Amino acid sequence: DAGVIQSPRHEVTEMGQEVTLRCKPISGHDYLFWYRQTMMRGLELLIYFNNNVPIDDSGMPEDRFSAKMPNASFSTLKIQPSEPRDSAVYFCASSQGPPGETQYFGPGTRLLVL
Amino acid sequence: KQEVTQIPAALSVPEGENLVLNCSFTDSAIYNLQWFRQDPGKGLTSLLLIQSSQREQTSGRLNASLDKSSGRSTLYIAASQPGDSATYLCAVLPVNDYKLSFGAGTTVTVRA
Repeated sequence: DAGVIQSPRHEVTEMGQEVTLRCKPISGHDYLFWYRQTMMRGLELLIYFNNNVPIDDSGMPEDRFSAKMPNASFSTLKIQPSEPRDSAVYFCASSQGPPGETQYFGPGTRLLVL
Repeated sequence: KQEVTQIPAALSVPEGENLVLNCSFTDSAIYNLQWFRQDPGKGLTSLLLIQSSQREQTSGRLNASLDKSSGRSTLYIAASQPGDSATYLCAVLPVNDYKLSFGAGTTVTVRA
């Protein structure tokens, strides 16, 4: 398997623009997680899905953030409108079982909002 | 709220020396603890997962111990190599939550 795939790997955008990050989990994994990593706050869980259904989105910072998982092989994280403080590395991860099982991380999307 | 602390923040050792990385957490009610490795510009790779009922886990040159009652875990890397240079993060899964709480990581440099 190719592992968790994320695109784009790098994104530079201007404040106010819409940003869409994409993730393809490992085939057969039932859980998908979106994390954000910054120097100030470290790694934070934003939202996770089980069988395509959002289970806990309490980590989503604001209404400007939304995430979807239309099918088992694809998820998006959207920021609209983007702000400079959204600049971070966004990771997607998937696991075969409940959150206590090993999570496999993608390479991340490095987002810079100017 | 679970707080996870890793000390030191950075560590530099000569090749061949054993590495000792520390992780502490404030709430002992955990489901498990994981150690991850992160290379610059890359994602996280899971190294070891210790269930709350376990005392340690071993994989090759890596050994992780867990003392749940004192809220501590230690990752030992034997006979370090330059390829071990990376940031190591620990993460705990609380019993009453499904969110992993991560430490800030320890950045390791192994000098050849």
